[in-house]
Amino acid sequence: AQSVTQLDSQVPVFEEAPVELRCNYSSSVSVYLFWYVQYPNQGLQLLLKYLSGSTLVESINGFEAEFNKSQTSFHLRKPSVHISDTAEYFCAVSEMDSSYKLIFGSGTRLLVRP
Amino acid sequence: EAGVVQSPRYKIIEKKQPVAFWCNPISGHNTLYWYLQNLGQGPELLIRYENEEAVDDSQLPKDRFSAERLKGVDSTLKIQPAELGDSAVYLCASSSGSSYNEQFFGPGTRLTVL
Repeated sequence: AQSVTQLDSQVPVFEEAPVELRCNYSSSVSVYLFWYVQYPNQGLQLLLKYLSGSTLVESINGFEAEFNKSQTSFHLRKPSVHISDTAEYFCAVSEMDSSYKLIFGSGTRLLVRP
Repeated sequence: EAGVVQSPRYKIIEKKQPVAFWCNPISGHNTLYWYLQNLGQGPELLIRYENEEAVDDSQLPKDRFSAERLKGVDSTLKIQPAELGDSAVYLCASSSGSSYNEQFFGPGTRLTVL
């Protein structure tokens, strides 16, 4: 069975500092990988996704994530965070042959301080 | 383009009372999902519809939960009777059925059972 582990429940960081949010997954088949962001009182928004091809994927607001098959990881990084990046971040995985079924991690709260 | 709409946004009820949540997906999206998000956890799929057919309801507690999607558009999720442990956020999502199945989420309904 698939599973997603986000070891860090909360990551505090100062503004303009770099950040990495860790995500590891477990699956016996090929997968798609996603990062969703949830701002307070809002629904989840897709931040970026890995489907195939280049293992490094980027979002429009400066986040990037790298698919590492050998380590079964999909860590999210940003070189310089803003106050507005404060939110809950969820890593998710789906099997390629049943892509409708998203399995989410427990989330990491990114808290950016001035 | 309007996003996924959910109502109400917040609901407070006493245990043993019934409650219903409503979802209007993005226009043209055939697939609709209901998720349960407990505090501090990622969303978990309750039920998935393809048009008006419930194709995956394996995680829906059928003794007290029910759902319908009449005419394959709007959907309603009902709990009767509600229990204290049902306090959570109920998320609705929709997708167009593309190959990698990007899901678009509504803002959710936060249920508090007293």
